[in-house]
Amino acid sequence: GAVVSQHPSWVICKSGTSVKIECRSLDFQATTMFWYRQFPKQSLMLMATSNEGSKATYEQGVEKDKFLINHASLTLSTLTVTSAHPEDSSFYICSARDLTGREQYFGPGTRLTVT
Amino acid sequence: KQEVTQIPAALSVPEGENLVLNCSFTDSAIYNLQWFRQDPGKGLTSLLLIQSSQREQTSGRLNASLDKSSGRSTLYIAASQPGDSATYLCAVRGNQFYFGTGTSLTVIP
Repeated sequence: GAVVSQHPSWVICKSGTSVKIECRSLDFQATTMFWYRQFPKQSLMLMATSNEGSKATYEQGVEKDKFLINHASLTLSTLTVTSAHPEDSSFYICSARDLTGREQYFGPGTRLTVT
Repeated sequence: KQEVTQIPAALSVPEGENLVLNCSFTDSAIYNLQWFRQDPGKGLTSLLLIQSSQREQTSGRLNASLDKSSGRSTLYIAASQPGDSATYLCAVRGNQFYFGTGTSLTVIP
């Protein structure tokens, strides 16, 4: 089946620094990718939707200047958490939709801890 | 906006029992509904996907049903095993995925 990878799988960074998370569709092309955040014992919440070559659409309450999303190719989207704070510590999951739009696959997630 | 609710929030059963997890959603205009399993600190594992035109899907000991008109889905797990212990998430897909609140299942040996 189709595979979505995320890198890194976990990262620890100091408060005030920026961290980049990559999401790749390994064996299919994705015009649309999604970024989710999951706090402990809570469900996944959509942060933003990115389409290849265009600006991401952010959900209400998500700061676009803090969570920079780039979807430069049909197989890669990146999420950069800028000036990270401890409250940004969370599990970030990406998802990629194939070109048909019928299938959507989820990555394994990235655990971010900000100290 | 679509809202997805799962009941119960937590469930503990002895090994071997059959169990049912419930999912309800407010907007019946969905593309499909998917059940996922999530182990602690891990990503999502897709269990079953039901298209909006389907009524149920089966995979091994798992059976998922969908009643789109009433906004309900159930996940039936037969002969539960300790390895089934995990959080189960239901998600409905419209223009995006909307995730439920999850049911944390513990199967006691």
